[in-house]
Amino acid sequence: DAGVTQSPTHLIKTRGQHVTLRCSPISGHKSVSWYQQVLGQGPQFIFQYYEKEERGRGNFPDRFSARQFPNYSSELNVNALLLGDSALYLCASSLVAGGYQPQHFGDGTRLSIL
Amino acid sequence: AQKVTQAQTEISVVEKEDVTLDCVYETRDTTYYLFWYKQPPSGELVFLIRRNSFDEQNEISGRYSWNFQKSTSSFNFTITASQVVDSAVYFCALDTTDSWGKLQFGAGTQVVVTP
Repeated sequence: DAGVTQSPTHLIKTRGQHVTLRCSPISGHKSVSWYQQVLGQGPQFIFQYYEKEERGRGNFPDRFSARQFPNYSSELNVNALLLGDSALYLCASSLVAGGYQPQHFGDGTRLSIL
Repeated sequence: AQKVTQAQTEISVVEKEDVTLDCVYETRDTTYYLFWYKQPPSGELVFLIRRNSFDEQNEISGRYSWNFQKSTSSFNFTITASQVVDSAVYFCALDTTDSWGKLQFGAGTQVVVTP
């Protein structure tokens, strides 16, 4: 079975631009979460979606938004990019939203802001 | 508030040595789950083990074992007979009823295994 897939793998943008990152969960998983991982740090939670509804939001500005589609895939959008948005963006999926079921992560999208 | 502390920044060992990674967590919730993830240079976070707050039984799975002690809020992880392929960053994570699904990660511990 395919794992969590993310696209694109790498992305280079300039300050002020907009970016869309995509994620396809493991088949059967209804929960998708997004994390930002700055170099040398642990991942920081951004959003969680379950059954197409937002279930949680981390401490990120409104420039960050996300949505989940009927097929449970998800998009993360970031507007007005800043240098500090340079990071590895990880998508994770799980059967349900939290608890015993572990989250399974994709390879991530490496976003570089020039 | 939830917090996970991994005090060890980097651990270097020679192949076949055992490696123990420390994790200390903070939460006021009585129901929670603890996880260990491995992140190789490729970047993908790989799920390794989990433990719930009601089960303090320590287990062994292959070369991995873990020691969960609620009294000291610690969830330590051991790799026995390390191999070069174990070289990676290891993260401890906490999931609590206060914020289900919003994993709180530690800063990670870099493990370097040399032949």
